[in-house]
Amino acid sequence: DAMVIQNPRYQVTQFGKPVTLSCSQTLNHNVMYWYQQKSSQAPKLLFHYYDKDFNNEADTPDNFQSRRPNTSFCFLDIRSPGLGDAAMYLCATSRAGGTNNQPQHFGDGTRLSIL
Amino acid sequence: KQEVTQIPAALSVPEGENLVLNCSFTDSAIYNLQWFRQDPGKGLTSLLLIQSSQREQTSGRLNASLDKSSGRSTLYIAASQPGDSATYLCAVFTNTGNQFYFGTGTSLTVIP
Repeated sequence: DAMVIQNPRYQVTQFGKPVTLSCSQTLNHNVMYWYQQKSSQAPKLLFHYYDKDFNNEADTPDNFQSRRPNTSFCFLDIRSPGLGDAAMYLCATSRAGGTNNQPQHFGDGTRLSIL
Repeated sequence: KQEVTQIPAALSVPEGENLVLNCSFTDSAIYNLQWFRQDPGKGLTSLLLIQSSQREQTSGRLNASLDKSSGRSTLYIAASQPGDSATYLCAVFTNTGNQFYFGTGTSLTVIP
């Protein structure tokens, strides 16, 4: 059974048209991550939530925002997508403990195309 | 800042061969290291997690080792199969920042 679910699997949007990607989890993990991955590159962390605390990476464009209304759901909003934002977007979760020796669990990703 | 490097970037082997993938990291202050598999157009599947206090982990034909002091990990795949063809990524979780740092991966092709 899928534990980290991303919808949709494929998303096409127009240049400049806002788009929202969603992620849900059944693991009850307190940490959720959003990564951007371009072809043949490592996943790049955009931001993460530690419980309700939002952590933005310094080089994440202002164009990208995130919402986490509850433990199970997290959204990635791209306000005005540009051609350079076409990529695979990966959601991951983990349970942060005292020593943080917990694995990450990934969804299957949403591939975003910009027309 | 932690930097993770994987060598080689691509590897092609005949079926049945044993192989080793390498991962190195610059900051040895890590909590754990995780190896993932990624098939084309898909998300990441966790293969093995090694905690900082461990030296190795095994799962089936896979064995991962960790030498934290030298900043190195290896993933050993025994008796490779065409179904093992994928990109393999390693990621380290550091003591600061509460995040994982990824390598760029090794693209493995196992030839029948």
